[in-house]
Amino acid sequence: DQQVKQNSPSLSVQEGRISILNCDYTNSMFDYFLWYKKYPAEGPTFLISISSIKDKNEDGRFTVFLNKSAKHLSLHIVPSQPGDSAVYFCAASPNPNDYKLSFGAGTTVTVRA
Amino acid sequence: GAGVSQTPSNKVTEKGKYVELRCDPISGHTALYWYRQSLGQGPEFLIYFQGTGAADDSGLPNDRFFAVRPEGSVSTLKIQRTERGDSAVYLCASSLQPGTGQETQYFGPGTRLLVL
Repeated sequence: DQQVKQNSPSLSVQEGRISILNCDYTNSMFDYFLWYKKYPAEGPTFLISISSIKDKNEDGRFTVFLNKSAKHLSLHIVPSQPGDSAVYFCAASPNPNDYKLSFGAGTTVTVRA
Repeated sequence: GAGVSQTPSNKVTEKGKYVELRCDPISGHTALYWYRQSLGQGPEFLIYFQGTGAADDSGLPNDRFFAVRPEGSVSTLKIQRTERGDSAVYLCASSLQPGTGQETQYFGPGTRLLVL
């Protein structure tokens, strides 16, 4: 059973515009959420995280929004750059100390010049 | 310092054969994880080591899968009697000890296993 869902397998955006990636989850025990970025032939790299005590976390061009009542989170990238072209995975766990991450299937982002 | 490394990067084997996949974690990381990523899916948790012991192997799909970490550093994932359904990318990650506030998991590039 897929507890973390990324329903958009791909996203194409023009350079300089905003990229919005969505993620939904079904397990109400999830309390800590992460986004990972993956380039071809490389492993996923940590991008940004958010705990359920917050509804927003910002790091440079990357902002994650959490709507716990809707069991939904999103990642905003502003402005999008060509180097942002990658696969983005949403992941979740019951708390920051829980090592067992549940991942979504990923969204492939292509930033057009 | 160096990141997580995995060898081989690609492995092709025949159904029924035995394979070993190796992971070298980041130096000083006591926690090590194995994940499996099938085509079109996200990584799925297999097993977690804290030091030399497997603290949680609940993600291993069946008893054909086994992993060891005898000296608390390098880990080997072993798959017996491989099946075509085992074809996937096997990812290894390491981190400082969970519960310390420094649990970010750093992933290696993965081993792409193809069972013919």
